[in-house]
Amino acid sequence: GAGVSQSPRYKVAKRGQDVALRCDPISGHVSLFWYQQALGQGPEFLTYFQNEAQLDKSGLPSDRFFAERPEGSVSTLKIQRTQQEDSAVYLCASSFEGTGEAFFGQGTRLTVV
Amino acid sequence: QKEVEQNSGPLSVPEGAIASLNCTYSDRVSQSFFWYRQYSGKSPELIMSIYSNGDKEDGRFTAQLNKASQYVSLLIRDSQPSDSATYLCAVVFTGGGNKLTFGTGTQLKVEL
Repeated sequence: GAGVSQSPRYKVAKRGQDVALRCDPISGHVSLFWYQQALGQGPEFLTYFQNEAQLDKSGLPSDRFFAERPEGSVSTLKIQRTQQEDSAVYLCASSFEGTGEAFFGQGTRLTVV
Repeated sequence: QKEVEQNSGPLSVPEGAIASLNCTYSDRVSQSFFWYRQYSGKSPELIMSIYSNGDKEDGRFTAQLNKASQYVSLLIRDSQPSDSATYLCAVVFTGGGNKLTFGTGTQLKVEL
């Protein structure tokens, strides 16, 4: 597709459940980012990939959060044992190497009940 | 102190007026600056990027950067109701990879 695609768009998880969020970046974009956005706030950085290499995971809030991009294209953000504070919109963005001009997907709204 | 600061608003302007959105950032070496527009329930959309001091114009939008004052602004001329959205300022700091550090956003309302 022409843009960044994320799935699912909405996810309701029971507390303690594991979830997996998928991101399919723009073709040819080397860089891929995950952000978390709480209501009324700007997106907060979670992690960054350059191709398949995870170069920065400093924003992941706990060891329950894990991200991968095994073939340098599609990425998955996994959250284990979800907690209510994990409820947020998870945004994926991609960009050409060497530029901060990132293009965002539609996001996944995660609600933990 | 947050690294990127914006007034949360709402900023209300009448249709046809100039909307001025402001952003300040912390004293870190920074390399690039971006404005994103986010409609309610939608994802951020890149509208402007600026890399050096001065003004950059694109249609009705002008971005202004003053690194000495650690200040970046966005002017929207001839504001339209369709411009009503939250405007996010984002900075790429040197040494931080290409990750964006966002402000909390300014809500703009253009009134008929």
